[in-house]
Amino acid sequence: KAGVTQTPRYLIKTRGQQVTLSCSPISGHRSVSWYQQTPGQGLQFLFEYFSETQRNKGNFPGRFSGRQFSNSRSEMNVSTLELGDSALYLCASSPVSGFYQPQHFGDGTRLSIL
Amino acid sequence: AQKVTQAQTEISVVEKEDVTLDCVYETRDTTYYLFWYKQPPSGELVFLIRRNSFDEQNEISGRYSWNFQKSTSSFNFTITASQVVDSAVYFCALSGITYSNSGYALNFGKGTSLLVTP
Repeated sequence: KAGVTQTPRYLIKTRGQQVTLSCSPISGHRSVSWYQQTPGQGLQFLFEYFSETQRNKGNFPGRFSGRQFSNSRSEMNVSTLELGDSALYLCASSPVSGFYQPQHFGDGTRLSIL
Repeated sequence: AQKVTQAQTEISVVEKEDVTLDCVYETRDTTYYLFWYKQPPSGELVFLIRRNSFDEQNEISGRYSWNFQKSTSSFNFTITASQVVDSAVYFCALSGITYSNSGYALNFGKGTSLLVTP
């Protein structure tokens, strides 16, 4: 069974640009969550999508947005990039929403802002 | 608000030593779930164990064991006879209402970096 797939693995952008990250969950999983990991703040929850609807949201500015498609694949978009957005972005999937089940994580996309 | 504290930032042990990773949590929820994840250098977080707030039984899985105590709000993780392959960052996490009250989320501690040397 294929795991969670995130693309691209690495990305370099400059301030002010926007970026889109992609996540394909494990087959049959309908919940996709996104996390930002930085050395200073650690792992922080961005948002969760389930059945194409945002179900839960962390404490991030509106520059961070996402969506989920009917096949459960998800994209995350960050607009007007700032230096502080440099981070490892992790996607996780689970069969249902609610965070009482284990999350299955991808390898992440490492975003560097110059 | 919820909070997970992993006071140990880095731990270094010699192979075959036992090591305990501490996790203390804060929550107002009566029902919640606690998790441990392992993050090897490759970056992917790997699920290790889940506990719900009603199940205080300790658990042993091979060289791993977990001690959940609601009275002290702790969920500690012990590796017995550590091996070099255990070197990784270990995260404790708590599920519950998010900071912004926008629903549920998984709140992680800052992680403990474990280095096991031969």
